[in-house]
Amino acid sequence: EPEVTQTPSHQVTQMGQEVILRCVPISNHLYFYWYRQILGQKVEFLVSFYNNEISEKSEIFDDQFSVERPDGSNFTLKIRSTKLEDSAMYFCATGTDYNEQFFGPGTRLTVL
Amino acid sequence: GEDVEQSLFLSVREGDSSVINCTYTDSSSTYLYWYKQEPGAGLQLLTYIFSNMDMKQDQRLTVLLNKKDKHLSLRIADTQTGDSAIYFCAEHGGSQGNLIFGKGTKLSVKP
Repeated sequence: EPEVTQTPSHQVTQMGQEVILRCVPISNHLYFYWYRQILGQKVEFLVSFYNNEISEKSEIFDDQFSVERPDGSNFTLKIRSTKLEDSAMYFCATGTDYNEQFFGPGTRLTVL
Repeated sequence: GEDVEQSLFLSVREGDSSVINCTYTDSSSTYLYWYKQEPGAGLQLLTYIFSNMDMKQDQRLTVLLNKKDKHLSLRIADTQTGDSAIYFCAEHGGSQGNLIFGKGTKLSVKP
């Protein structure tokens, strides 16, 4: 059964560094999302992406964040200058329409 | 703003039924979801219900929706130790389908 995959599974970085988290969606999916889960807290929506542009974004998704689909397959989340509070589990989700979202296993980001 | 609330813990014995409850605030949500998260894993979509339904059954899972009270429940029949996980309730929060999650209910199944 096709799955959403994410790399790396764990990323450790120094505060102020840039990170890129990668997601490979299920092949016929058109809707893409990023969520994050800070330890012990709720899963929070960051951004949705459809037709090569951002559809919706939350207050968390400020100028430090960006998304793109550089090669038509990978879907990436870039954090330009990481802060300690960016430490979280980042989940990619994809779907054929916006009613079903299939999540990847997540990338654990640790900012030191 | 929109919010989803769940109790944090539930403990049952193997073979019993589990009922996980959730309340939500956005009455315009078209779909409501249940996701399962096993330790160290991502979120697995278990089932979802369209807001014009009041019940959906899928093998051992039964979802009940009370729109008037904005209450959603997930019943797992004949609960097994493999059902031990965190179960998240979620509703649609926006036009492009971003999900709003509850904090998750940790289900522990004792043999």
